Amino acid sequence: NAGVTQTPKFRVLKTGQSMTLLCAQDMNHEYMYWYRQDPGMGLRLIHYSVGEGTTAKGEVPDGYNVSRLKKQNFLLGLESAAPSQTSVYFCATGRLPRGDQPQHFGDGTRLSIL
Amino acid sequence: AQSVTQLDSQVPVFEEAPVELRCNYSSSVSVYLFWYVQYPNQGLQLLLKYLSGSTLVKGINGFEAEFNKSQTSFHLRKPSVHISDTAEYFCAVSLQGGSEKLVFGKGTKLTVNP
Repeated sequence: NAGVTQTPKFRVLKTGQSMTLLCAQDMNHEYMYWYRQDPGMGLRLIHYSVGEGTTAKGEVPDGYNVSRLKKQNFLLGLESAAPSQTSVYFCATGRLPRGDQPQHFGDGTRLSIL
Repeated sequence: AQSVTQLDSQVPVFEEAPVELRCNYSSSVSVYLFWYVQYPNQGLQLLLKYLSGSTLVKGINGFEAEFNKSQTSFHLRKPSVHISDTAEYFCAVSLQGGSEKLVFGKGTKLTVNP
């Protein structure tokens, strides 16, 4: 999906380490989202942003922080990684704050925490 | 709050057989409904959506879904599946009248066998 790019694609961390996942979009969408996907759990919303400089908590925000300093970028940070944060992380964007607009997804970041 | 239940976590079928993936939702207000598909090691792609009007919605790759308001269901169907349809399928809802968030079901893994 050329419109939403996630970096890195894979990463292995040790417990207690920190890292930042980057989501970059070239679609000029206002809304951006971070989800985590775990087997049998579907996608759960971590944090989201309704525009540059704004962020809000989703369903499972604990242990994560986010920033949206530029419209095209949405960063997800893990300050002190824990094994429970082993997951596949997806970034998504949305054009308008209306429920009829689909979200557009990146290809994911596969994160393992040992 | 709205919720989505995908009744089958795994559905194995043989190639060229018909398939139905079931989705039920719960909401106190009207909703928009979506089906997304996730191929192995990829992000989610929109398959089809129901916003209003005809209750039978056609999507990409020969899939269709029928909205049934009385049964609060949005089941996905394909009359003849191919090996390439092997993927995970997610049903999702958002609220009409303005909502920036999607709520996803836990997914159904469709495996098409030769």
